[in-house]
Parts: sequence; structure tokens; C-alpha cells
Amino acid sequence: QVQLVQSGAEVKRPGSSVKVSCKASGGTFSRYAISWVRQAPGQGLEWMGGIIPIFGTANYAQKFQGRVTITADESTSTAYMELSSLRFEDTAVYYCARSRRYYYDSSGYYYGGYDAFDIWGQGTMVTVSS
Amino acid sequence: EIVLTQSPATLSLSPGERATLSCRASQSVSTSLAWYQQKPGQAPRLLIYDASNRATGIPARFSGRGSGTDFTLTISSLEPEDFAVYYCQQRSDWPLTFGGGTKVEIK
Repeated sequence: QVQLVQSGAEVKRPGSSVKVSCKASGGTFSRYAISWVRQAPGQGLEWMGGIIPIFGTANYAQKFQGRVTITADESTSTAYMELSSLRFEDTAVYYCARSRRYYYDSSGYYYGGYDAFDIWGQGTMVTVSS
Repeated sequence: EIVLTQSPATLSLSPGERATLSCRASQSVSTSLAWYQQKPGQAPRLLIYDASNRATGIPARFSGRGSGTDFTLTISSLEPEDFAVYYCQQRSDWPLTFGGGTKVEIK
């Protein structure tokens, strides 16, 4: 059974950066899209962006464009999310989540795609404090 | 950006009652909609994908329906463990977006 295990809690100063890791174990990594979703205290879920490791190209929500970098290392089955220029309002739990499936086009060629998130990491608390 | 509006914000019900949660999209998402359950201190759990398909291991009391812009999650008879927050999420267009959530609380 696939599991996603995230790195531990972080406390950061405003203006600094944080890098959170998400290691997959027990299954295929490269073909499934991995997304990053955050949740501020007492608030809802917010998609930040995602990556399909085998392609290496990330998609980002406009809100985070320029501040977030999502990468993946196929050799270690690990995805990373780095958020820079941290602000107090970036204090949140950050989750990685894997798409339920990947897709093939009508010609039978794999193209990845994003689906519902069926496997989630345990979450990483990032606190931005002076 | 596709905005998902969930209603009501809070639903106060007793165990054994039926819960009906709504999710409305600002534009059509076809059936590319999922539902999640989240309990305090836990990661979300996938309940329904593609509007009406139960995820692996999800009890039959959970059902989803809808297409286009209007979707419903129904819990036919609430169990004590069902009191939680529920989110809808679309994957039809970038960016992927979530609704604001519906809290199902014990009356």
C-alpha cells in the first residue's frame, strides 16, 4: 500500500524560505501526479500546485506563482515543495497528495493527468513567526 | 478560476438522520468533482470521485450525484464517526479548487 511520508514541522522567519519533502513508499511514484495542498488554522483546503514526476514539469496556482517551486526526485520517490518570501499568513499545515490514477489518450499514449487525491501525507506544520 | 460554493456551512443533525450537502460550481465541471471528509487533526480522506463513484473502502451510506454545476453528497444515515467537515473539489480546470467546506455537527 502506497504511503506518503512528509518531513517534520518547521518554524521560519518572515522573508525566509521553507522546503517540505514528501516521500512515497510501497508503490509506483513517477507516473502519478503529486499535488500540494495547504490549510491555514481553522480554514479550508487550498491547492498550491502539482507535478507529474516522470515529466518533471509543475503546474502552479496563480496565487503562488513566483513564490512556490515544486520538484520531484524519481530516484528517491520524493516530491518537494519550496515556498519563499514567507509571510505570517503562510502559517498552515501543508499536505502532499497523490492523484488516484493516471491517464492515456485515445491513441493509448500515457499523458499523466490529475485526478482526485486518494493518498495524502500526514501534513507538515509550517509556522511563520518573528 | 472555478469557484465552488458549499452549502450549508454547518449542518446540525442527530445520528441516524440523513445528511444532504450541496456543492455548486461557478461554471461546468462536467463530472470532474470529488468529495473529501476531514476530521480534526487528520488529513482529508477521499470519499467520492467523478461525482458519483465511491472510493475504495467507503461505506455505501455515502453517495454522490450531479453533473455540470450542481452536486450533492448524501449520507443516508449518520454514524457517530461521520461528524466531520466535508469538502468538494474540482479537477476540470486549472487551478484545481476546493469548496469552503460543510461542517456536519451533532445536534
